[in-house]
Amino acid sequence: QVQLQESGPGLVKPSQTLSLTCNVSGGSITSGGYFWTWIRQPPGKGLEWVGYIHFTGITYYNPSLKSRLNILLDMSENQFSLKLSSVTAADTGVYYCARDASGRVDPWGQGTLVTVSP
Amino acid sequence: DIQMTQSPSSLSASVGDRVTITCRASQGIRNNLAWLQQKPGRAPKSLIYAASTLHSGVPSRISGSGSGTDFTLTITNLQPEDFATYYCQQYDLYPLTFGGGTKVEIK
Repeated sequence: QVQLQESGPGLVKPSQTLSLTCNVSGGSITSGGYFWTWIRQPPGKGLEWVGYIHFTGITYYNPSLKSRLNILLDMSENQFSLKLSSVTAADTGVYYCARDASGRVDPWGQGTLVTVSP
Repeated sequence: DIQMTQSPSSLSASVGDRVTITCRASQGIRNNLAWLQQKPGRAPKSLIYAASTLHSGVPSRISGSGSGTDFTLTITNLQPEDFATYYCQQYDLYPLTFGGGTKVEIK
């Protein structure tokens, strides 16, 4: 059974880069047909899809974040990561990693709260 | 982007009640719709995909219907563990988009 776990700093200063890693266990990140995905949720608000990466290296980013976003894959560690540059308070929230099978998102990681603050 | 509009944004109900949540897409999405349940402090959990197919382990008192632009999530015989926030999510086109959520509270 595939499980995902996010990790990374809980506090990032404005204008810096937010970096998170998602460790995948119970299955290989190179399994075909899956997109490895980031989704975020500002405090008390709804869900926003951030972007995905396929093991072939294909990425697709939310157009609203595209200029600041990079999602990378580390097959040797069975992990993928998110880097979001030039962060502001609007980037504060819980960041979830998840597996996407043609748009069906399951399972999800437990989420990690990232606060952007001086 | 495809906009997903859920209603109501919140509702109060009692154990044993039947509740219905609606979700409307800004354009046709065929049956490429999922329903998610989220409890406070927890990650969302997938309930339904393809508008009406239950994920493994989801109780049969939960059901989904619809196609095109209009969809419904129905919970019959509401149980204490059903009090949560529910989101619809379209996956017909990227970027994936979500409804604003419906919070089901105890009356």
